[in-house]
Amino acid sequence: AQTVTQSQPEMSVQEAETVTLSCTYDTSESDYYLFWYKQPPSRQMILVIRQEAYKQQNATENRFSVNFQKAAKSFSLKISDSQLGDAAMYFCYIPYNNNDMRFGAGTRLTVKP
Amino acid sequence: DGGITQSPKYLFRKEGQNVTLSCEQNLNHDAMYWYRQDPGQGLRLIYYSQIVNDFQKGDIAEGYSVSREKKESFPLTVTSAQKNPTAFYLCASSPDRARNIQYFGAGTRLSVL
Repeated sequence: AQTVTQSQPEMSVQEAETVTLSCTYDTSESDYYLFWYKQPPSRQMILVIRQEAYKQQNATENRFSVNFQKAAKSFSLKISDSQLGDAAMYFCYIPYNNNDMRFGAGTRLTVKP
Repeated sequence: DGGITQSPKYLFRKEGQNVTLSCEQNLNHDAMYWYRQDPGQGLRLIYYSQIVNDFQKGDIAEGYSVSREKKESFPLTVTSAQKNPTAFYLCASSPDRARNIQYFGAGTRLSVL
């Protein structure tokens, strides 16, 4: 079965510091997309960043970047200069194909002032 | 404003009752999805539809039904056969296939009286 695993149920970071959230997966597919979504207390799911598996270059969106290691099946999210508004649940999401779309269990990020 | 509207925000179900959750989008997206989120867990796919008048079961379709008579609308019915319906339900849409970005509604919280 194709899986998505987030091994860190909770993480905390000091404001202005950097934190990395991990995501590993298992698939036999060669072409797929990978996403990180953020769910703040409002519970609205917000797209953070997207990576295309065939691209070697890691995606970056302002303070958010990924470290995508295709051979290791690892897709971590790095948040730089953490802000109080970054506190949320973060979900790794991989739609392997039209019939198999997987979310990880999530990582709750706390930002300390 | 373009987006996805879910209603109601809160819903209560009595024993043996069917209830319907509404999802409407004005993004002109072909694909729409329903997810269930339980506390401390990620999202699990209930049903999805790639095109009008067609839909497919996801991982946890038992006790749920959907229809897709219009491109803009994808209502979810929680039937009396769903014995544990208490959860947060999220509707999403994407331009076409699952590999594209999914845009989410604000969710419906369903509880059992």
